[in-house]
Order: sequence, then C-alpha cells, then structure tokens
Amino acid sequence: DSGVTQTPKHLITATGQRVTLRCSPRSGDLSVYWYQQSLDQGLQFLIQYYNGEERAKGNILERFSAQQFPDLHSELNLSSLELGDSALYFCASTQVADSYNEQFFGPGTRLTVL
Amino acid sequence: AQSVAQPEDQVNVAEGNPLTVKCTYSVSGNPYLFWYVQYPNRGLQFLLKYITGDNLVKGSYGFEAEFNKSQTSFHLKKPSALVSDSALYFCAVRPLNTGFQKLVFGTGTRLLVSP
Repeated sequence: DSGVTQTPKHLITATGQRVTLRCSPRSGDLSVYWYQQSLDQGLQFLIQYYNGEERAKGNILERFSAQQFPDLHSELNLSSLELGDSALYFCASTQVADSYNEQFFGPGTRLTVL
Repeated sequence: AQSVAQPEDQVNVAEGNPLTVKCTYSVSGNPYLFWYVQYPNRGLQFLLKYITGDNLVKGSYGFEAEFNKSQTSFHLKKPSALVSDSALYFCAVRPLNTGFQKLVFGTGTRLLVSP
C-alpha cells in the first residue's frame, strides 16, 4: 500500500458527461501528479500541483481540469467525455515539488465512457 | 524532446534464469532515470533510480540497473527471475538542469516468467 488513495475505483459513464476523480496524497506529501494510462497512448503525464498551486502541465486536454485543495487532496475533472477518454487515471504524490524523488502511485480509477 | 524507448513489448524468461529489460533515453542534459513496476490492477511501484555516482544501481526485490551514458541506456536486470516478477515494467526519465519537471515514461515492457 503506497498510502495514496483514489476514489472511485471504477467509473462508468456516457459520452458528453462530466466526472470528478479524487486523490488523497500520502501523509506529508505536498505534490500531486495526475497520469492517464491507455492502451494506445501509454502512460501520459497530465498535470502536477504543489501545495495548492499548479506546478507543471503535460498533455492535458482543455476539457480536463484539476485543482488541489487546502487539505492537499486533489480532484481531476473531466468534461464533455468522449469514448477515447476511457483509461486508467492515476495520481501520484511526492513530498517536494521536484520529480527527482520517486513518486508514490495510487491504485487508479478506471474510467469507462460508453 | 525528451523520450524513453523500451524496444521490447514483452520479455519471456524461465524461472531461475537471468532477465534483462531494456531502456534507452534521449534527454537534454544529464538525466534522472527510474524503473517502476505495475502488477495487474495496481498502481506503479518504484523499483530503483539513478541520480549520480555508481553506474550500477540496486533496487527492490533483487533488481538492479546499469546506467550507460555513452549508450544512453538504463537496462533493468535480475540475476534469477521469479514467477512473481511477472508484471509490466516502465522506464522513466527526468532531465536535470532544466525547468522540465515531469517524468517521461516508456511504453512499458511486459515480463513473463514461466515456471
């Protein structure tokens, strides 16, 4: 158990809908990273937050947004969902902002868009 | 552009035999290099990392990796494979000396260890 929690574990929804994925980092970790894992794209970095502020941005679509709250949990919002958004979404956390520290990954949320 | 290549989609090895999972990278500047493992229906777990110093890095579960700067490679190795090592392995790179914060992952290599 990495200490990173993600809810829900599974999510099934329809095209055009909006969903929110939640991540709680390890106790003491200030930085949260979001990744998307799909069969055709592999593991793609989406976005990083550190202590409530956006730190780095990757291949995140405009339909997607994220935030980190004062209690350090993070939410990833996916809107106007398309079939191609079906994937595993992972969050990871580290104590500090820089990703030269190993990241601790949560178990993931499997999103299925029908 | 920063990139990582894992040339083998799958590696098959018999239990007790040595294993190698290959990784090559392309970055600007010196890299931080990582190996992660993903078991079915689980998140990624850190195995080992190279930051600086000795080119041979030892990590969890008996794995080690060798950093080769001239060949820009960071191959994962284990002297004697176990069936329980069967999983998906990811190499990742983060370049030093740049403002480039994110980790770049390879496409993954599935390791299958047969009894």
